Amino acid sequence: DAGVTQSPTHLIKTRGQQVTLRCSPKSGHDTVSWYQQALGQGPQFIFQYYEEEERQRGNFPDRFSGHQFPNYSSELNVNALLLGDSALYLCASSLGGRALNEQFFGPGTRLTVL
Amino acid sequence: GNSVTQMEGPVTLSEEAFLTINCTYTATGYPSLFWYVQYPGEGLQLLLKATKADDKGSNKGFEATYRKETTSFHLEKGSVQVSDSAVYFCALNYGGATNKLIFGTGTLLAVQP
Repeated sequence: DAGVTQSPTHLIKTRGQQVTLRCSPKSGHDTVSWYQQALGQGPQFIFQYYEEEERQRGNFPDRFSGHQFPNYSSELNVNALLLGDSALYLCASSLGGRALNEQFFGPGTRLTVL
Repeated sequence: GNSVTQMEGPVTLSEEAFLTINCTYTATGYPSLFWYVQYPGEGLQLLLKATKADDKGSNKGFEATYRKETTSFHLEKGSVQVSDSAVYFCALNYGGATNKLIFGTGTLLAVQP
């Protein structure tokens, strides 16, 4: 049973560019959450997708957007990249969109903005 | 707002030493509390959790007790191993309609042989 997978593993972009990160949830899971982890910090919640809708959003600008597909996989898009967007982006999946259901994390995508 | 505060690291211990990593939280209502571990180059793994006051979560020799009176969830292990070296994150989930985790800043544990 595959766990949460993310692609790509690493990515280097320049300021102003756009990036798309991808996540496949654990088998049987229907909810995907995205987190940003800056170096030396704890993960910060970006947003969550359930039934192809954004359910809740953290304190991130509109440059950050996402999508969930019918197979429950998800994409995170970031436009007009800034140096401060350099971070590890973590995807987590869970079941049913309900609070307290365990979230399983992927290995993350390391984004470097030059 | 809801937040989690962890003791700053790094915490450096010798093998078989006793470990405590302090965690306190601020939240309205009754959140669930978690400890996650992040090994070098890997994503987060759930270590243990507690969903209500006085619950004790335990896993792999680690323990933490949900103390509502002190709003704390300190992580302990009686005898650490080199393989326990990692970053440990305390987190809360305040329920509601979404499953949003709020993390502390993490504590790096380095165990020396």
